[in-house]
Amino acid sequence: SQQGEEDPQALSIQEGENATMNCSYKTSINNLQWYRQNSGRGLVHLILIRSNEREKHSGRLRVTLDTSKKSSSLLITASRAADTASYFCATDRGGSNYKLTFGKGTLLTVNP
Amino acid sequence: DTEVTQTPKHLVMGMTNKKSLKCEQHMGHRAMYWYKQKAKKPPELMFVYSYEKLSINESVPSRFSPECPNSSLLNLHLHALQPEDSALYLCASSQSGLSTDTQYFGPGTRLTVL
Repeated sequence: SQQGEEDPQALSIQEGENATMNCSYKTSINNLQWYRQNSGRGLVHLILIRSNEREKHSGRLRVTLDTSKKSSSLLITASRAADTASYFCATDRGGSNYKLTFGKGTLLTVNP
Repeated sequence: DTEVTQTPKHLVMGMTNKKSLKCEQHMGHRAMYWYKQKAKKPPELMFVYSYEKLSINESVPSRFSPECPNSSLLNLHLHALQPEDSALYLCASSQSGLSTDTQYFGPGTRLTVL
């Protein structure tokens, strides 16, 4: 079964606005990662948050993790057209060191 | 150098063909991965190599055969594929295969099976 589920499935905003994407998962995790994928290309790692962390920042990115609700959110502030991409959360299913399972993804479109 | 390269970028093959996908990294990573991604879907893990040994096979059909000749190279040999195997095949590498590793992805090979 799918470990991570993102919502919304698609999000369209104007440049300069903030974008928030959510991810829910079903089983316990060691950590959660967010990746970005430009259309038809490889994925790029954005940020990792460990299960004992609640919030993490990297540039215009802010990630939160609520292990009690089994959910995470990715906030992109002051969005740019270049942020247009699909965003995936990925979890490790706790105890399985090698395996990341990706959520269904959110397609973000930032209109200039 | 934080690049993972994949060749070819595009591949069209018939169901009776034999072809190979190639992946290379020079970051000194000891874990390498193959993923399959269908359109508008997330990547799905196929295989994991750790220190050049196959550590995970996600019940992939035998028409896909991975090979790790050395720590920098990863191949995926294809034989007797089906049209439903058409997808983007992504290679990734990470330092040691731990879940806390960042995975570095190549640009993928777009495979079409006729």
